Amino acid sequence: AQSVTQLDSHVSVSEGTPVLLRCNYSSSYSPSLFWYVQHPNKGLQLLLKYTSAATLVKGINGFEAEFKKSETSFHLTKPSAHMSDAAEYFCVVSDGNYGQNFVFGPGTRLSVLP
Amino acid sequence: GAVVSQHPSRVICKSGTSVKIECRSLDFQATTMFWYRQFPKKSLMLMATSNEGSKATYEQGVEKDKFLINHASLTLSTLTVTSAHPEDSSFYICSARLTDSSNQPQHFGDGTRLSIL
Repeated sequence: AQSVTQLDSHVSVSEGTPVLLRCNYSSSYSPSLFWYVQHPNKGLQLLLKYTSAATLVKGINGFEAEFKKSETSFHLTKPSAHMSDAAEYFCVVSDGNYGQNFVFGPGTRLSVLP
Repeated sequence: GAVVSQHPSRVICKSGTSVKIECRSLDFQATTMFWYRQFPKKSLMLMATSNEGSKATYEQGVEKDKFLINHASLTLSTLTVTSAHPEDSSFYICSARLTDSSNQPQHFGDGTRLSIL
């Protein structure tokens, strides 16, 4: 069965410093992986996706993620945090064995300090 | 592209009222839409998968008679919370996918905050 682990429930960084949000997954098949961001009382916005092409994926707003099959990881990074990056981030896995559905991680809340 | 509109954004109503939430794909056709519920500081919980022209598929533990889903067209799905009670208060989010492939992202609406008094 699929599952997603986000190792940190809360990450706090200073503005201008790097961001690392960790995600590990389990999947029986070649998975597709996604990162979404959710601002308060809003829906989810797609940051980036991995679908078996390049392992380093670049997304919107300067975010990127690297798919590492040997480590079953898909960590999200950004070189320099901005105040507007403060939000909830969800790592999501999807594979053909589970039909069309997404499996969400528990989320990581990112705080950006001035 | 791939914009999903959800309406209303917020509803406050009395216990016993039925509430309808609409989810529209504005610039694409979606044969499948999804309905989620999100509790405070929690992740999304899939309630049901809505298929155009057929019955929705509900997740285990979700009452189909309580949460009525209709997907009458390729751009509109509705969720009706029937005879709502305070325990139904939550944040409801819909999403849609351009194709039925598992490697395609879901595109989410902005959610509906439902408060039952």
